[in-house]
Amino acid sequence: DVKVTQSSRYLVKRTGEKVFLECVQDMDHENMFWYRQDPGLGLRLIYFSYDVKMKEKGDIPEGYSVSREKKERFSLILESASTNQTSMYLCASSSTGTSGEQFFGPGTRLTVL
Amino acid sequence: AQRVTQPEKLLSVFKGAPVELKCNYSYSGSPELFWYVQYSRQRLQLLLRHISRESIKGFTADLNKGETSFHLKKPFAQEEDSAMYYCALTGAAGNKLTFGGGTRVLVKP
Repeated sequence: DVKVTQSSRYLVKRTGEKVFLECVQDMDHENMFWYRQDPGLGLRLIYFSYDVKMKEKGDIPEGYSVSREKKERFSLILESASTNQTSMYLCASSSTGTSGEQFFGPGTRLTVL
Repeated sequence: AQRVTQPEKLLSVFKGAPVELKCNYSYSGSPELFWYVQYSRQRLQLLLRHISRESIKGFTADLNKGETSFHLKKPFAQEEDSAMYYCALTGAAGNKLTFGGGTRVLVKP
């Protein structure tokens, strides 16, 4: 059973804080993704990674960075959190051989005060 | 640029009635289309993909390249179908998905 886990379900931070969101998958997937999910806007891709130490910008990378030092772990970093980054953050992973099927984590609801 | 549009934010139907969720896309090549579903307090998961041409939980979706649509249909909605549904597209970039805004389906008893 594919498992994608995220470090926190709920997180509350203050404006200007540095925030780390961690994602771990246990299926040896090559690809990992970070999305934010907002009502009416659906899922928007922030960053993705096709391999260790590789990263590519998604549609809304501004204000975010990522790190992938190990194949199973993909971290999302908010260098200086702002209130407009209050959102649900979803991590996903996929195998290169199965186009389109991504496996999602439970999500982290981040509130920036 | 690729784009996915789901015009309905909310669909409310009675149990046993047909339900159709609309999805339109724009993409210059040959896309692969998907429907993902998120039930209450569960994680987002794949419902079906167009290349499989299969029916999952009574749902079907047909890719219409002429109309650039991939509508999701079920002839008789059940209460357990209440969920958030997202249409998604992937193109030449492989596993990168573009999602629509989502449609919330509420099936009333």
